[in-house]
Amino acid sequence: DSGVTQTPKHLITATGQRVTLRCSPRSGDLSVYWYQQSLDQGLQFLIQYYNGEERAKGNILERFSAQQFPDLHSELNLSSLELGDSALYFCASSLQGTNSPLHFGNGTRLTVT
Amino acid sequence: GQQVMQIPQYQHVQEGEDFTTYCNSSTTLSNIQWYKQRPGGHPVFLIQLVKSGEVKKQKRLTFQFGEAKKNSSLHITATQTTDVGTYFCAGRGTTSGTYKYIFGTGTRLKVLA
Repeated sequence: DSGVTQTPKHLITATGQRVTLRCSPRSGDLSVYWYQQSLDQGLQFLIQYYNGEERAKGNILERFSAQQFPDLHSELNLSSLELGDSALYFCASSLQGTNSPLHFGNGTRLTVT
Repeated sequence: GQQVMQIPQYQHVQEGEDFTTYCNSSTTLSNIQWYKQRPGGHPVFLIQLVKSGEVKKQKRLTFQFGEAKKNSSLHITATQTTDVGTYFCAGRGTTSGTYKYIFGTGTRLKVLA
């Protein structure tokens, strides 16, 4: 168990809808990362937060947004969903966000129909 | 932007054979991390390399960081069925203020008993 909790585990929704994915980092970790993994693909970096502030941004679509709250949990919001957004979304946390290992949650599998 | 490629994409080996995956970055890296993702699972941190030319060993696994800090390799000696999974490298750039980890494309290893 990595100590990172992601909810929900599965999400099935229709095109055009909006969903929110939630992540609770390991106790003591200040940094949260979001990655997208499409079927049998690599991990695409979306966004990183450190202690409540955005620290790095990847190729995150404008339809996607995220935030990290004062209690350090994070949410990834996906709107105007398209079929191509179907993927496994991983959250990872680390102590500092530079040379610290990333600890991944079990992911949220999003299916857009 | 920074890109990290891994070769091969897939590798099938007989149990007991050796396996190597190579990771190449388009830019110089500050450090590199290696992760293993079992089928249906989430990436799990294996090791981090920071110094130019660094070599680290974990039982049957040997990790190397290139002298130019642009490439890395993971070698597994005498593979076992428990080694099955996808191996990812993840690199962080050297530009000041770079915090994100870009994951390589991954090498999927299958071990035939």
